[in-house]
Order: sequence, then structure tokens, then C-alpha cells
Amino acid sequence: EAGVAQSPRYKIIEKRQSVAFWCNPISGHATLYWYQQILGQGPKLLIQFQNNGVVDDSQLPKDRFSAERLKGVDSTLKIQPAKLEDSAVYLCASSPWDSLTYEQYFGPGTRLTVT
Amino acid sequence: GNSVTQMEGPVTLSEEAFLTINCTYTATGYPSLFWYVQYPGEGLQLLLKATKADDKGSNKGFEATYRKETTSFHLEKGSVQVSDSAVYFCALTGNQFYFGTGTSLTVIP
Repeated sequence: EAGVAQSPRYKIIEKRQSVAFWCNPISGHATLYWYQQILGQGPKLLIQFQNNGVVDDSQLPKDRFSAERLKGVDSTLKIQPAKLEDSAVYLCASSPWDSLTYEQYFGPGTRLTVT
Repeated sequence: GNSVTQMEGPVTLSEEAFLTINCTYTATGYPSLFWYVQYPGEGLQLLLKATKADDKGSNKGFEATYRKETTSFHLEKGSVQVSDSAVYFCALTGNQFYFGTGTSLTVIP
């Protein structure tokens, strides 16, 4: 079974530029999550999708971050414009059910550096 | 609100030493508790979980018991190996997943 795929693995941009990350979850997984992991901290949930609908985006900085999951499969996360404090690893995860007792499967992450 | 507090690292142990990584939590209701592991260059992987009080999760020689009376879920392993070197995250579920800050473990031969 293929795992969660993310691209790119690394990205370096200047502040005020825009950037987009892509995630392809495990086939058949209805729930998809985007996390932000700042160095030295644990992952923080940005947004959760159930199929192509948003379940929770309460911690997404909506003035600069946006995410979509068209057709309930792969997803993109965009930052526009980027700030220095956005430097982090962006993790995508998926799970087969909208239940927090089920395992989340994580991708390798995209390391973003904003200069 | 819900939160997880992990012991700070980094932790360095010799091979075959005993490992304990402390994790305590604050939560309303009856959360499920997890330990995730992140090996260098890889994504997080579920190591073990416990869904109710007094449950013991175990995997690859690691164990953790859900202690409601002390609100703890400490990770233990009797004899660590070099291959266990990684960052370990404690997590709980509320209305979403809450992760601790992670504890880096290095095992030296």
C-alpha cells in the first residue's frame, strides 16, 4: 500500500512570495489533515478535511493560508504572502475515518524556509 | 483546554539501557492517547496507542499505560537499540489531535 505522498520535499522562498504544497493521501482515506511543525515543537493542526469538505480550520491563518481538496482526493495548501515565521515543516496526514481513535498516516513533510 | 506535556530532551542512552520518556496530559472527557515516532528524514509513525484508562499499548518492545489517576502515559522500553534513535511525540485526541513538543532520543553503541 502506497503511503501519503507530499511534494516538494524542500522549498526556499523569500518573504512576501507565495508557495504551494501538494498532498496525495492513501487511497480510500476520507479524512485529510494539514499540520505545521515548527522546529522544536510538535505538529499543530491547520486544517482537517472530510472528503472534500472542511471539518476544522480554526487554527488556519486565513488571511494568508488557504487549502482545498478537490474531488475528495489530493489536496493543496497555499501560503500567500509568506512571512519569516512560516518557516516550518508542513505535514500531511490521512486516516480512513473521521474518528480520532483511528491512526493517522503521515507523509514525509515539506520543509519550507522563508528568507 | 487539552494539552500534552513531555519531558524535555535530548536524551542520550547507551545501547541496552532502560528508557522512560514522561508524558502527562490535560483533557476533558476521555481522550485516546498515542505515541508517535519520527525517524530522521521520515514522517511520523504511530508507535502505540491506548483508548481507555488502564489500557496498555505496546509495540516493538515499547510500552505505555493509560493512567487516568495521574493523567500520564509514560513511554518505556527495557533495552534500547541504536535503531531506536528518533524523536518521540506523545499525543491525545480531543476535538482534534494535540501533540507534545517531542523528545529526541539518541542511543549510542
